[in-house]
Amino acid sequence: AQSVTQLDSQVPVFEEAPVELRCNYSSSVSVYLFWYVQYPNQGLQLLLKYLSGSTLVKGINGFEAEFNKSQTSFHLRKPSVHISDTAEYFCAVSPGTSYGKLTFGQGTILTVHP
Amino acid sequence: EPEVTQTPSHQVTQMGQEVILRCVPISNHLYFYWYRQILGQKVEFLVSFYNNEISEKSEIFDDQFSVERPDGSNFTLKIRSTKLEDSAMYFCASLGTANTEAFFGQGTRLTVV
Repeated sequence: AQSVTQLDSQVPVFEEAPVELRCNYSSSVSVYLFWYVQYPNQGLQLLLKYLSGSTLVKGINGFEAEFNKSQTSFHLRKPSVHISDTAEYFCAVSPGTSYGKLTFGQGTILTVHP
Repeated sequence: EPEVTQTPSHQVTQMGQEVILRCVPISNHLYFYWYRQILGQKVEFLVSFYNNEISEKSEIFDDQFSVERPDGSNFTLKIRSTKLEDSAMYFCASLGTANTEAFFGQGTRLTVV
């Protein structure tokens, strides 16, 4: 079984500031890692994913994440946020045998202030 | 761009009533999923469906729940006798054989009164 912990439920930040949203996971098997974003009144949209290879992955809208196996973390970063990045962000893992059966963290609400 | 669509966006039902949530997955996808998110809680996996049968289900997915692909395009989640605690946002997702991530619909907010 897998579990995911997002360490911050809410992150307020000013526009153009950097941001890091933290995610830790536990699993007895190898996993794939994902970050999804949910804008108000919309569905879950994939930001980025780690399947294998380079531990630094880049996604849409200038986001990136780094997989750290020893620390079982997959933190999401953006060097300069925009007002439009205000949304809820979900970290998720799936077992290495399936891309679709996801275990989600509780979500982090990112609020970007002008 | 292809997308997963869910209807209705919001449904209110009385406790004890049957409800059917509908999803149209992306057309060439073969793997289908339902998730739910109770307000303030995590998004939780309910069930996966492949080749016209359930491939995996969670503890939440008890006898009150069922899924069906009644035709070549729709994927439905039925709750036979709704309870207050079934109130949640329900997400449908689909995955193609060439994909490495699931695509989610915008969700159906179910309110049981």
